[in-house]
Amino acid sequence: DTEVTQTPKHLVMGMTNKKSLKCEQHMGHRAMYWYKQKAKKPPELMFVYSYEKLSINESVPSRFSPECPNSSLLNLHLHALQPEDSALYLCASSWSGGRNTDTQYFGPGTRLTVL
Amino acid sequence: GENVGLHLPTLSVQEGDNSIINCAYSNSASDYFIWYKQESGKGPQFIIDIRSNMDKRQGQRVTVLLNKTVKHLSLQIAATQPGDSAVYFCAENNAGNMLTFGGGTRLMVKP
Repeated sequence: DTEVTQTPKHLVMGMTNKKSLKCEQHMGHRAMYWYKQKAKKPPELMFVYSYEKLSINESVPSRFSPECPNSSLLNLHLHALQPEDSALYLCASSWSGGRNTDTQYFGPGTRLTVL
Repeated sequence: GENVGLHLPTLSVQEGDNSIINCAYSNSASDYFIWYKQESGKGPQFIIDIRSNMDKRQGQRVTVLLNKTVKHLSLQIAATQPGDSAVYFCAENNAGNMLTFGGGTRLMVKP
């Protein structure tokens, strides 16, 4: 089983709203990732969690706040977003975040629209 | 900075023909590469990977070739089918398991 699940599938929110994206995997992976993908562009890394600790933050604005409650779950809390934050948000997981030979498996993404 | 890029943004092939998607990378220290397929409205799906100590790896209908001398990666799809229509990304796996994606190539299969 190489499934990563994400909820919701679609999300529309206003600039003053607070919402959360959720990601779950049951493959025993210890590294989880958030990516942002704009239309017709490749995914761009936002955050990396390794063994439930934030190991990489790619200079992401503070209106995006990641959380890793346990090794199977990854959340992305959203607050005061801008319309340009509208994108497909992808979650991925891999065995660990320390080796560069671990395959990352992606979820289906959450399509976010900020009005 | 160092990056991974693609030569062709769109590739159109006839059903049944072979497809070749190319990718250039610039980080000579990279030692692991992955090809992903992304269909419309879905997340990237792992297709095949290759480590730098290999120059060829085969899967089911897919082959990845790595030429470290010219820093070039290619994905070959045999007997291309309509279900192969998607955007294909090469990715370079850097230290700390950070993926750097190429720009992507859209493969269109004509029936």
